Amino acid sequence: DGGITQSPKYLFRKEGQNVTLSCEQNLNHDAMYWYRQDPGQGLRLIYYSQIVNDFQKGDIAEGYSVSREKKESFPLTVTSAQKNPTAFYLCASSPEGLYNQPQHFGDGTRLSIL
Amino acid sequence: AQKVTQAQTEISVVEKEDVTLDCVYETRDTTYYLFWYKQPPSGELVFLIRRNSFDEQNEISGRYSWNFQKSTSSFNFTITASQVVDSAVYFCALSEGVQGAQKLVFGQGTRLTINP
Repeated sequence: DGGITQSPKYLFRKEGQNVTLSCEQNLNHDAMYWYRQDPGQGLRLIYYSQIVNDFQKGDIAEGYSVSREKKESFPLTVTSAQKNPTAFYLCASSPEGLYNQPQHFGDGTRLSIL
Repeated sequence: AQKVTQAQTEISVVEKEDVTLDCVYETRDTTYYLFWYKQPPSGELVFLIRRNSFDEQNEISGRYSWNFQKSTSSFNFTITASQVVDSAVYFCALSEGVQGAQKLVFGQGTRLTINP
């Protein structure tokens, strides 16, 4: 079955540590996205990528970095510069050039501070 | 700037009651898309419906129905004869028409609890 796989499901970060969240899709979608969800709030866009080797900042990119070396993969690194990383992170994808198409979401990664 | 407002933070009803979730949006674009997503306790977002700005026809899918009114910038979602399985957080979202990628603007979400 086609879909989006996020790993790990739960992740803990120590002070000063960078951590990387994995996102893999087999839907053959060109565009991929990372969102952050805080309790009682909607999703906020961190980064998005339209094609391989290209990505753009979203509304809350500070303290995060991404790469897009393969079409199927869009990992997110939460750096030590992100002072409040505790949140639920969701990865999504959609067909390129079709902004009316719904995004498909993964199951999310819950990140906490040790 | 584009904005989506879901004024109802939480709603709790008894099973079999009808319930309406409100969504009001702001945009300067003439072409835009509106979406509803469901987030069950497992966490993933599940797509429910898409509506474009040129189609104000209401839609019904089983117990779900959507009322889109451009005059009031609203896209409300009604569940008829609610069931416990409908318990989830529901998000309304607006699509910014950026070519090649879709930037969604989400509302804050409405947590719906259906009590047996």
